[in-house]
Amino acid sequence: EVQLVESGGGLVQPGGSLRLSCAASGFTFSSYWMHWVRQAPGKGLVWVSRINSDGRSTTYADSVKGRFTISRDNAKNTLYLQMNSLRVEDTAVYYCARDGATRMADAFDIWGQGTMVTVSS
Amino acid sequence: DIQMTQSPSSLSASVGDRVTFTCRASQTISSYLNWYQQKPGKAPKLLIYAASSLQSGVPSRFSGSGSGTDFTLTISSLQPEDFATYYCQQSYSIPSSFGQGTKLEIK
Repeated sequence: EVQLVESGGGLVQPGGSLRLSCAASGFTFSSYWMHWVRQAPGKGLVWVSRINSDGRSTTYADSVKGRFTISRDNAKNTLYLQMNSLRVEDTAVYYCARDGATRMADAFDIWGQGTMVTVSS
Repeated sequence: DIQMTQSPSSLSASVGDRVTFTCRASQTISSYLNWYQQKPGKAPKLLIYAASSLQSGVPSRFSGSGSGTDFTLTISSLQPEDFATYYCQQSYSIPSSFGQGTKLEIK
């Protein structure tokens, strides 16, 4: 079964750090670009970051640039999001998602179940 | 950055109704438009990609159309499991962006 499973969320104080993980299974992880998308409580979906298949190219939303780092370990079939200098407004459910690639107009065809990050003092 | 605007923000309908959602991009995105369904407490689910292609396993009552800046998602005959929030997304350029969502409620 094709699956993405996030972990690492939790409660952190403003200014703190957290690392999210996304474990992939059921497909050739190293062949796909991957994304992080977040959703604040009661709000819509917001794209956060993207990484290419070999991990050498990354892109970020302006709101997290310089604070968040996306990475991957293709040997471990795992995607990461290192979040530093966290702010209250980073509070959200964080989803990892697979990029379906050109054949699917780069739609996000597989999503994890999400992990909740709460930034609060 | 490309802005995506969905209308309406909410919609009330009955089982068996035909409903249409609209999504407009702030600039042309060719056919790089995708639709997702999200139920409370769940991850989004891809329904339509490339404006009109039905994702595998998605019922044929869902259909999409449009190109350039204006797009629609249609459900031909609403089923009880279709009541959810629907998001459009442009994958034409980074940063990718989503519409604010349309919440479909039971009348």
